[in-house]
Amino acid sequence: DQQVKQNSPSLSVQEGRISILNCDYTNSMFDYFLWYKKYPAEGPTFLISISSIKDKNEDGRFTVFLNKSAKHLSLHIVPSQPGDSAVYFCAASRLTGANNLFFGTGTRLTVIP
Amino acid sequence: DAGVIQSPRHEVTEMGQEVTLRCKPISGHNSLFWYRQTMMRGLELLIYFNNNVPIDDSGMPEDRFSAKMPNASFSTLKIQPSEPRDSAVYFCASSLWGTDNEKLFFGSGTQLSVL
Repeated sequence: DQQVKQNSPSLSVQEGRISILNCDYTNSMFDYFLWYKKYPAEGPTFLISISSIKDKNEDGRFTVFLNKSAKHLSLHIVPSQPGDSAVYFCAASRLTGANNLFFGTGTRLTVIP
Repeated sequence: DAGVIQSPRHEVTEMGQEVTLRCKPISGHNSLFWYRQTMMRGLELLIYFNNNVPIDDSGMPEDRFSAKMPNASFSTLKIQPSEPRDSAVYFCASSLWGTDNEKLFFGSGTQLSVL
């Protein structure tokens, strides 16, 4: 059973515009959320994270928003750049207990120059 | 640091053959994870080790899959016998448990094709 879901397999955005990637989770025990970015032929790399005590975390052009009541998080990229074209994975874990991450199926972002 | 090193990068084999995937984690990391990436399920955790000890192998799909970590610098994932449905990208990742352990460092993966 998929505990972390990314319902949009792909997204295309014009360069300079905002990219919004969405993620939903079902396990209310999750309290730490991450986004990973993956280029072709490479492994995923950590991008940004947020703990459940916050509802927003910002790092440069990347901002993650968390809505705990809706069990939903989103990643905003502003402005989008062609180099942002990649697959983005949402992941969740519990800060205490098992140190494994549960990943979504990924969203392929294409930024059109 | 060289990062997490996986070998081979690509593996093509025939159904029924044994396949062994290898991983060298980042030096000093004490947690190691094996993930499988498929279109339908994304990144699935197969097994993870803390200090070379398997902690959770509930994600291993069948008895055909086995993983070992004989020392802190090496791990293998073996599939015997392999089947076409095992075709996927297999990632190894490591982290330092007790710090930012959720921030996994991934290898480049092994693309496995079972014909």
